Amino acid sequence: QSALTQPASVSGSPGQSITISCTGTSSDVGGYNYVSWYQQHPGKAPKLMIYDVSNRPSGVSNRFSGSKSGNTASLTISGLQAEDEADYYCSSYTSSSTLRVFGTGTKVTVL
Amino acid sequence: QVQLVQSGAEVKKPGASVKVSCKASGYTFTSYDINWVRQATGQGLEWMGWMNPNSGNTGYAQKFQGRVTMTRNTSISTAYMELSSLRSEDTAVYYCAIVYPPVALGYWGQGTLVTVSS
Repeated sequence: QSALTQPASVSGSPGQSITISCTGTSSDVGGYNYVSWYQQHPGKAPKLMIYDVSNRPSGVSNRFSGSKSGNTASLTISGLQAEDEADYYCSSYTSSSTLRVFGTGTKVTVL
Repeated sequence: QVQLVQSGAEVKKPGASVKVSCKASGYTFTSYDINWVRQATGQGLEWMGWMNPNSGNTGYAQKFQGRVTMTRNTSISTAYMELSSLRSEDTAVYYCAIVYPPVALGYWGQGTLVTVSS
């Protein structure tokens, strides 16, 4: 089971919107609405930001939103803030023997 | 509040085994599956497997089949992940996480650094 494909880095200025893509296959991203997104600051554990493609857990800012089209899921951060600078990982349920697969990760830089 | 507290850092020699613990509090331990995820320094997240704390049923990523064992002690709300035949490539931070909301990893432990070095 290969990792889902994400861009290595995305950057934006404060206040701008950015979008991170997460490309998989019909066996994972495209086949199920079980895509989740995680934010990870250096030296910290990942934090769930989006689940089931577009749902936000309680306490997560509504500046974070998720969507999916075909085999590609996306995370959009609007009104970019300095605190959003972190690594972001997507994850999906998969029909392979490896039940869960993560993306390659994207480093978000706030300029 | 939900908390997952993991055991401390470990240093092991190649060929040895390591057992990492994950003590849960703030919820009913048997209610949610536990997943284990690892992250080598500067690398991405890698899913290792899952365990149902109620039944003890497990499922492991193919890469770790035969080397990983996930168990639990429900009396002390603690899950364990044991990895054997360690090699230098197993040097990583190991995380436990619970599957809540369904399918997503909503709560994570603080991570346990396992260093494999001769």
